[in-house]
Amino acid sequence: EPEVTQTPSHQVTQMGQEVILRCVPISNHLYFYWYRQILGQKVEFLVSFYNNEISEKSEIFDDQFSVERPDGSNFTLKIRSTKLEDSAMYFCASTGGAGGATEAFFGQGTRLTVV
Amino acid sequence: SQQGEEDPQALSIQEGENATMNCSYKTSINNLQWYRQNSGRGLVHLILIRSNEREKHSGRLRVTLDTSKKSSSLLITASRAADTASYFCATSYTGANSKLTFGKGITLSVRP
Repeated sequence: EPEVTQTPSHQVTQMGQEVILRCVPISNHLYFYWYRQILGQKVEFLVSFYNNEISEKSEIFDDQFSVERPDGSNFTLKIRSTKLEDSAMYFCASTGGAGGATEAFFGQGTRLTVV
Repeated sequence: SQQGEEDPQALSIQEGENATMNCSYKTSINNLQWYRQNSGRGLVHLILIRSNEREKHSGRLRVTLDTSKKSSSLLITASRAADTASYFCATSYTGANSKLTFGKGITLSVRP
């Protein structure tokens, strides 16, 4: 079964450093997303991406965040200057988009720890 | 807030029993999806129900949707210890592929 893959599974970084989280969505999907989950809390939407541009973003997704689809397969989330409060599990997701509502498939997540 | 809310927050049952989890939301939706998350792991998609559907089945899972009450329920029949996990409902409010808004989740413990 096709799946969304994320790398790395765990990243530790120092405060103020830049991090790039990587995702390979399901190949024929059209919509891509990033969500995050702070430990013990609910999953929160960060940004959605369609047709090579951001289609929606939340208040969390400020100027420190950016997304990119540099080639036909990868989808990345960059945090420019990490803060302690950026520590969370980050999930990438994708949906098909064709013919109406489709399931959103999530990757296994990248656990980001900012120290 | 448009966030969904699940109840109960925690549920503990014996293996073999049925588990019923409920989710409520506040505004009109396009679809509602249920996910499972094992501790510290990724989100596994369980089932999607569209706003014009009332009930769906998938194996031991049964999902209902009542748009008049803005609520959904997830029933797991004949539970197993492996069903122990957190369960989340997530709603899509606008387009078919718009963002998902998650509830806080229900922690299900199935005792062997």
